[in-house]
Amino acid sequence: DVKVTQSSRYLVKRTGEKVFLECVQDMDHENMFWYRQDPGLGLRLIYFSYDVKMKEKGDIPEGYSVSREKKERFSLILESASTNQTSMYLCASSSGQGGNQPQHFGDGTRLSIL
Amino acid sequence: AQSVAQPEDQVNVAEGNPLTVKCTYSVSGNPYLFWYVQYPNRGLQFLLKYITGDNLVKGSYGFEAEFNKSQTSFHLKKPSALVSDSALYFCAVRDLLNTGFQKLVFGTGTRLLVSP
Repeated sequence: DVKVTQSSRYLVKRTGEKVFLECVQDMDHENMFWYRQDPGLGLRLIYFSYDVKMKEKGDIPEGYSVSREKKERFSLILESASTNQTSMYLCASSSGQGGNQPQHFGDGTRLSIL
Repeated sequence: AQSVAQPEDQVNVAEGNPLTVKCTYSVSGNPYLFWYVQYPNRGLQFLLKYITGDNLVKGSYGFEAEFNKSQTSFHLKKPSALVSDSALYFCAVRDLLNTGFQKLVFGTGTRLLVSP
């Protein structure tokens, strides 16, 4: 089974801090994704990556950046955390380029910015 | 842009009864459609997908979905609901970008509550 591991289940940070969320997958997937999940809004794509050192903006990239130095690891960075970034963050990975393979998700990081 | 809509925030059904969770889509070209389930404090789990072929797609945990091109719908169904099916369900559609890469666009989710 594919395993996608997010480093923290719960995280509390302060406004203005630089925050790192880490995600590791163990199936050699090319594609990795970061989403945020908010009630009534579903999942919204922040950034994604199709290869090492490659990144593409999703629908809501403002205030975030990403890093993919190794194939198995995809990091989400909140450059200067703000209270409106309090949310559930989900990482996912998938194989192939045709879009017909399912994404596999981690269990999420619930981030609170005080 | 591709999109999906889940018109119901919540669906209530009694255990043993059939259940339907609705999804409609708007795409240009042929749709790639997915259903995912999210249990409390967990990430999303893949249930099933429609790429091409039979309009009735069978998936995990006894779920199936019916693709209807004329109604642009992809409703999730199960003949007999279990209390353990209570969860949040998401419909998603593939969006093919100009770069040739793909992403998923998710609906807002439908909470399914199955009562004993």
